[in-house]
Amino acid sequence: SQQGEEDPQALSIQEGENATMNCSYKTSINNLQWYRQNSGRGLVHLILIRSNEREKHSGRLRVTLDTSKKSSSLLITASRAADTASYFCATVGGDGYNDMRFGAGTRLTVKP
Amino acid sequence: DAGVIQSPRHEVTEMGQEVTLRCKPISGHDYLFWYRQTMMRGLELLIYFNNNVPIDDSGMPEDRFSAKMPNASFSTLKIQPSEPRDSAVYFCASSLRQGNGYTFGSGTRLTVV
Repeated sequence: SQQGEEDPQALSIQEGENATMNCSYKTSINNLQWYRQNSGRGLVHLILIRSNEREKHSGRLRVTLDTSKKSSSLLITASRAADTASYFCATVGGDGYNDMRFGAGTRLTVKP
Repeated sequence: DAGVIQSPRHEVTEMGQEVTLRCKPISGHDYLFWYRQTMMRGLELLIYFNNNVPIDDSGMPEDRFSAKMPNASFSTLKIQPSEPRDSAVYFCASSLRQGNGYTFGSGTRLTVV
């Protein structure tokens, strides 16, 4: 499997605004996953989108996947101060391996 | 389920000492992963197991690092001898089956002085 690359590295917004983070990868995938990490804690799985899906929703989260561009985006709507965290994407490749590798993440700060 | 359980939460040791980190995956999960996180290098995959068998250890930085999974409910990551550059947060994660989402433990913060 390969590493996802998140963009931007850091994002600062006001509470109530939407936050969009992007992820790019290089080769074919089976699925792409987004995780959140609060400071000093382990990663928490947010959402998984399969290669044959284009969009997925979970509460205030919306994930899109464009396999032709090898990119994904995570949208958090109506952000809250509690959404302040680092967000990572990771891919599971079509090669059958299950080892996910994470990029540097996007550090999101939501100001109250 | 209590989730993935790691111990200890914090470990401070002197250079040259042996360090053993422990992990209990979620019952029934077939995959177990060890990651290391530092500011400089981010999250690095060290090794992962499938059904207690090591599948890929290419991320293990040196021979000083070793990992075992003697049974489905327990894994260890050992560093012997430890060095200051090993200071990091070490995470264990488990997954039900191939391609599923991972559940991470709370990590062990290792400081080698």
